[in-house]
Amino acid sequence: DQQVKQNSPSLSVQEGRISILNCDYTNSMFDYFLWYKKYPAEGPTFLISISSIKDKNEDGRFTVFLNKSAKHLSLHIVPSQPGDSAVYFCAASAYAGNMLTFGGGTRLMVKP
Amino acid sequence: DADVTQTPRNRITKTGKRIMLECSQTKGHDRMYWYRQDPGLGLRLIYYSFDVKDINKGEISDGYSVSRQAQAKFSLSLESAIPNQTALYFCATSDGQGLNQPQHFGDGTRLSIL
Repeated sequence: DQQVKQNSPSLSVQEGRISILNCDYTNSMFDYFLWYKKYPAEGPTFLISISSIKDKNEDGRFTVFLNKSAKHLSLHIVPSQPGDSAVYFCAASAYAGNMLTFGGGTRLMVKP
Repeated sequence: DADVTQTPRNRITKTGKRIMLECSQTKGHDRMYWYRQDPGLGLRLIYYSFDVKDINKGEISDGYSVSRQAQAKFSLSLESAIPNQTALYFCATSDGQGLNQPQHFGDGTRLSIL
């Protein structure tokens, strides 16, 4: 059973609008969460992370929100740009370790 | 030059063959990982190593073996390849110093087993 789930396989948004990518988890021991972005023919690249002691972390156009009670996190991209078109993976780890559990990914398409 | 290099980038082979995928890194990280990616399943951990003498099984290690030849090199072997091992394979590294260090990935090896 997948402990980290991204229920939307794909998302399409207009350039300049907000993109919201969602991720749910089931393991209450997860205490650190990351988002990775992946372009075709490349490996995933680290985008942004959040510790369970916070509920929000912001880096430029990217903001991650964590709702521990709902076991839900989301990535907001504002404003969205065509270069943001990629597959986004949510990942989680427990006990401040490096062992990551990944979600299945969401393909974001930003239309000009 | 890439910090995490995987070779080969693509490989097509036949069932029953022995395959080795190689990974080398110039980041100076002590931790290395092998993942496979299948559509809709994200990345799943095959093996990981926190040091040259340390090898650990991940979520899906059956049918695979690894070797950590040096701090910078971590290879993945399929002793007798089968078609359901067709996937995209990624190597990753992370810094063992400090908490919650992100992993850095190579560009992957696309493996097809006929």
